[in-house]
Formats: sequence, structure tokens, C-alpha cells
Amino acid sequence: DAGVIQSPRHEVTEMGQEVTLRCKPISGHNSLFWYRQTMMRGLELLIYFNNNVPIDDSGMPEDRFSAKMPNASFSTLKIQPSEPRDSAVYFCASSLYGSGANVLTFGAGSRLTVL
Amino acid sequence: AQKITQTQPGMFVQEKEAVTLDCTYDTSDPSYGLFWYKQPSSGEMIFLIYQGSYDQQNATEGRYSLNFQKARKSANLVISASQLGDSAMYFCAMREGTGNQFYFGTGTSLTVIP
Repeated sequence: DAGVIQSPRHEVTEMGQEVTLRCKPISGHNSLFWYRQTMMRGLELLIYFNNNVPIDDSGMPEDRFSAKMPNASFSTLKIQPSEPRDSAVYFCASSLYGSGANVLTFGAGSRLTVL
Repeated sequence: AQKITQTQPGMFVQEKEAVTLDCTYDTSDPSYGLFWYKQPSSGEMIFLIYQGSYDQQNATEGRYSLNFQKARKSANLVISASQLGDSAMYFCAMREGTGNQFYFGTGTSLTVIP
């Protein structure tokens, strides 16, 4: 298995630009999570999906952030417009909800820098 | 209240020695899962070990073991025979009940000294 695939690995953009982060979960996993990690705030859950349906988006900072999961093998996290304070590492993770351990498997992360 | 507490921001251990990273958790649900992840300087989050609340024995995975003390609500990670490659951030996490929400601690930075 290729694991959770995220792209891009690094993104540098200017304030006000739109940013789209992409994620392909592990095949067969039915839950997908978007996390954000910064030195100041640690690891924060932004949103998670079960069976492609958003379950909890209470961690999404504001309306500038949106996430979609059009099918079981693809999700996007969009920031529009981006701001310098959005600079962080964004992780996508997937799991098999309903399995015994339900281990969360992370992608390599997308490091976003907003200038 | 914090669901997961890691009280050691940084730890040092001599190579080949054992080290214990502390984790306490807070839940009233009798069913939960406890996890440890490693984050090396390269940034990826690597799953290390899992302990279910109903598991009778402490989980072990190679040099990693989880010292599960249910009454104390602690789930400490023990790394035996430390290696230089063990230098990383270590995160403790919990999943409550049958839900799909994972709670992470603030992490412990481990440095292995040659």
C-alpha cells in the first residue's frame, strides 16, 4: 500500500492567493482527517469525514477554509484567500472506522508558507 | 480538562539506555484506544503502538512497549535500548468510545545522546 498521499509537499504563496491541498487516503479506509500543525498551537483537527461525509468541521478556522471529499479516494482542503497566519504543516490522515484499533495513518504533510 | 497530558516537553537519554515518556489521559468512557506516534525532524507522523482499554496485557512492538495503568489513567511509552534514530517528537493520543475523534497531547521531544 502506498499510504496516505498528499500534494504538494511544499507550497509557497503570497497573501491573498488561493491554496489547494490534496489528499489520497489509503484504499479501503472510510475516514479522512485534516490536521494543521504549528509550533504555537500544536496539532489541531480541522475537519474529518466518515464515508465521504463531513462529520465535524468545528476546527475549521473560518470561512476562508473549506474541505471536500467528492469520493472515497480524494479530498481537498482549500484556503481562499490565504493569510500569513495560515502558514503551517497540513496533515491528511485516514483510518478504518469500525475496525478494532482504528489506527490513524498520516500522510507526509504539506508545508504551507504564506508570504 | 485536557484529554491527553504529556508533562515532559523534553527528555534526554543515553544511547542504549531505556527511557519512559509519560502520558496521562482523561475519559469517563470505559471503551477507548491509546496510541503513540513518532515525529522525526523530517516531519512525518509515524504510528508506533496501540493499546485498547480492554486489553489485559501491555502492548509491545519491538523496542516499544506501552505501560498501561488503567487505574492511574496513564499510558507511558517505554523505549528500550535507545538508538540515535529515536531522537524525535513523540505524541500520545486517545480515541474515545466508538467515536472517531482523536485527541493528541502536546508531545515530548526526545534526544538520544551518543
